[in-house]
Amino acid sequence: SQTIHQWPATLVQPVGSPLSLECTVEGTSNPNLYWYRQAAGRGLQLLFYSVGIGQISSEVPQNLSASRPQDRQFILSSKKLLLSDSGFYLCAWSLRGEQFFGPGTRLTVL
Amino acid sequence: KQEVTQIPAALSVPEGENLVLNCSFTDSAIYNLQWFRQDPGKGLTSLLLIQSSQREQTSGRLNASLDKSSGRSTLYIAASQPGDSATYLCAVSNTNAGKSTFGDGTTLTVKP
Repeated sequence: SQTIHQWPATLVQPVGSPLSLECTVEGTSNPNLYWYRQAAGRGLQLLFYSVGIGQISSEVPQNLSASRPQDRQFILSSKKLLLSDSGFYLCAWSLRGEQFFGPGTRLTVL
Repeated sequence: KQEVTQIPAALSVPEGENLVLNCSFTDSAIYNLQWFRQDPGKGLTSLLLIQSSQREQTSGRLNASLDKSSGRSTLYIAASQPGDSATYLCAVSNTNAGKSTFGDGTTLTVKP
């Protein structure tokens, strides 16, 4: 069966510091991968998606970036965090249009 | 641009009651619609997926319907239990790429 991992589970970072969140998927090959952000009490906003290694599409302009160095690894990064980057970050993969989510990373920028 | 709305934002019911959660979308040319459950501080758990050619899907006490022409989906929960308390999110995809537009969710509280 397929499993999706995210780490860290929680992160507290000062403004201006770098960021690296990692997501890995097990049990499937060449999945579509997604990064979403969820603000408190709101739905999910799609940030990036990838259909293959090195193929990244950005959905919203921001100071975040994504990379896919391996088939089942998806990384969300920032060089300098802003207060507005705080939120709950969720990684997902899809199979035939159905999405499956990881446990999420709670990021607090102070 | 697809927009997804979920009403009500919050719902509180006594245990054992049957209930309906609503999801509406503006662009009826969808590929599929997916209902999720989210517990506080957790990721999303997929409940039901309805393809655009389908009218409903059932899993246990859950039944989801889809009316593309009116841009609506409903999630019916039978004989609600306190363990059903969670936020329920509706997500609509317009392509098979899996990119989805989410509603803001309905937070359900089932009182014992």
